Amino acid sequence: GAVVSQHPSRVICKSGTSVKIECRSLDFQATTMFWYRQFPKQSLMLMATSNEGSKATYEQGVEKDKFLINHASLTLSTLTVTSAHPEDSSFYICSHPAGGSPDTQYFGPGTRLTVL
Amino acid sequence: AQRVTQPEKLLSVFKGAPVELKCNYSYSGSPELFWYVQYSRQRLQLLLRHISRESIKGFTADLNKGETSFHLKKPFAQEEDSAMYYCALGGSNAGGTSYGKLTFGQGTILTVHP
Repeated sequence: GAVVSQHPSRVICKSGTSVKIECRSLDFQATTMFWYRQFPKQSLMLMATSNEGSKATYEQGVEKDKFLINHASLTLSTLTVTSAHPEDSSFYICSHPAGGSPDTQYFGPGTRLTVL
Repeated sequence: AQRVTQPEKLLSVFKGAPVELKCNYSYSGSPELFWYVQYSRQRLQLLLRHISRESIKGFTADLNKGETSFHLKKPFAQEEDSAMYYCALGGSNAGGTSYGKLTFGQGTILTVHP
């Protein structure tokens, strides 16, 4: 299966700062990537669809100015949490679809964000 | 709107016992159902897809459109099956175009005791 990496794996920041999370597809060119948020022992919530070379598509209720997504190349999508607050603390996971089956996803290992 | 419901947040069984993780869905289009698993300290990974009709690690799941269910079953649970299991719904519109987005259930933590 495809390999997806995320960096950093864990980040702690002060309230009000911005944090960038990278998602890389190591062996697959992904025109589309997805960003999810996962609360402890809870479900994954789709935040947005990252589209290479165009604007991201955000799910209802997700602030696009708060969670900036850039998908500048076929192997890299970034999520920037701007002016982070403690309520933004969560586990952020990216994924990209398998080539032959768009609904089958390959997931990154996730990034644990803690905002103090 | 599409929705996935996993009614059991926690499920405990003993090794060798049968296990069934329940999943019900709501979707107006042509559904594609998946089970994803997350072992401790590992990333989420695909366990099985309904269209493959396969058995992975002894697990099977049958899509029942009449009951809108996709329950995951294994006749003899093993300790290494302990993990978080997510049922997920993807799908296509009437034209057969897949959106590529998944809706996840709340997850079921399965614990298999020795």
